[in-house]
Amino acid sequence: DIQLTQSPPSLSASVGDTVRITCRASQTMRSFLNWYQQKPGRAPKLLIFAASSLQTGVPSRFSGYRSGSDFILTINNLQPEDFATYYCQQSYSAPNTFGQGTKLEI
Amino acid sequence: QVTLQESGPALVKPTQTLTLTCSFSGFSLSSDGMRVSWVRQPPGKALEWLGRIDWDDERFYSTSLRTRLTISKGTSKNQVVLTMTNLDQADTGTYYCARSPGSRYGSDFWGQGTHVTVSS
Repeated sequence: DIQLTQSPPSLSASVGDTVRITCRASQTMRSFLNWYQQKPGRAPKLLIFAASSLQTGVPSRFSGYRSGSDFILTINNLQPEDFATYYCQQSYSAPNTFGQGTKLEI
Repeated sequence: QVTLQESGPALVKPTQTLTLTCSFSGFSLSSDGMRVSWVRQPPGKALEWLGRIDWDDERFYSTSLRTRLTISKGTSKNQVVLTMTNLDQADTGTYYCARSPGSRYGSDFWGQGTHVTVSS
């Protein structure tokens, strides 16, 4: 199984900040890495697929890229509605594992 | 318009079998590349991928849960069924189904989730 290690587990930031969340894969894989945002009591929402492709309707302040085994989610100019928990997931090979999540707090 | 909705019992006793149904519309599971996954989330914890069924009827399961899980197509062509045997309190949580148009695309539509409590 591919293990995904997210860091940091939690992050404090302010409106207007730029934050980066990293997801490290335990083995080499194609860039089939997805990022989701989840708010309390809600289903996850797809933000980024294939490491760097922005899902339709997602604001452009969200972006993703790959650097070797690391996949990075960047959120520029944080908005109040961005405070949530973020998960990465690989869809390269089954089981399609998730990272442990990063809670973004004010 | 793509929609998915999970349904099933809210309360299950330990050792019993859980059956959840994902009813969907707006897409066909027979379309090339399409897949429907099940994901769960214990209270206050991370998302956990359980398994999926693909357009070609291939199924894949979580390594740790594979002996307890079965995913199948329902009696209706627009349903996917998750069966989990030998329930334990650790199986308490919210269960989601989600669709993906292919491995490159992630899960772009999700059901609202159904909460399952395992308790005697």
